[in-house]
Amino acid sequence: NAGVMQNPRHLVRRRGQEARLRCSPMKGHSHVYWYRQLPEEGLKFMVYLQKENIIDESGMPKERFSAEFPKEGPSILRIQQVVRGDSAAYFCASSRNDPATNEKLFFGSGTQLSVL
Amino acid sequence: SQQGEEDPQALSIQEGENATMNCSYKTSINNLQWYRQNSGRGLVHLILIRSNEREKHSGRLRVTLDTSKKSSSLLITASRAADTASYFCATDGSGGSNYKLTFGKGTLLTVNP
Repeated sequence: NAGVMQNPRHLVRRRGQEARLRCSPMKGHSHVYWYRQLPEEGLKFMVYLQKENIIDESGMPKERFSAEFPKEGPSILRIQQVVRGDSAAYFCASSRNDPATNEKLFFGSGTQLSVL
Repeated sequence: SQQGEEDPQALSIQEGENATMNCSYKTSINNLQWYRQNSGRGLVHLILIRSNEREKHSGRLRVTLDTSKKSSSLLITASRAADTASYFCATDGSGGSNYKLTFGKGTLLTVNP
């Protein structure tokens, strides 16, 4: 049973380019969460999605960032016109059930985004 | 906003010794969790302690929670070189956002063989 799969592991972009980060949740999990870890910082919540729905995007910057979790395929975190400050590790987590049940989150290995 | 803060920032011990890491937070919580992160890897969930619990054990791990002081500690007994990693505490929101975890900056534990 594969865990949460994220790709790519490392992504290098120049300023102004687009970054697409993918996350495949664990089998049977329909709740996906994206977190960002800036250098020397703890992880910070960005967005919570279920299939085809954004449930809570309160932690996501209002501009340039978007996320989706389509009916088929992985969840995508998209960053348009990247800037150096976007350089960070982006982690995806998933859970089987509604997090209100204190469901444990399973994290992927992250995507390290470097903006040159 | 609440924030978990771990201390010390870094801890270096010899194999076989015990390691204690502390975490403080600012607001009410439903539960507190500890995670481990090996270099360049994702987080591994270690243990969850609920706000009405004071102590919890899992193998060589012992977690305490003092809600009056808004603090928690993680004790790893009989440490091994494989325990070398960063350890984070994460708190949720008492308003029910169990997925909106707030992580501290972590404690880097180095266990020397």
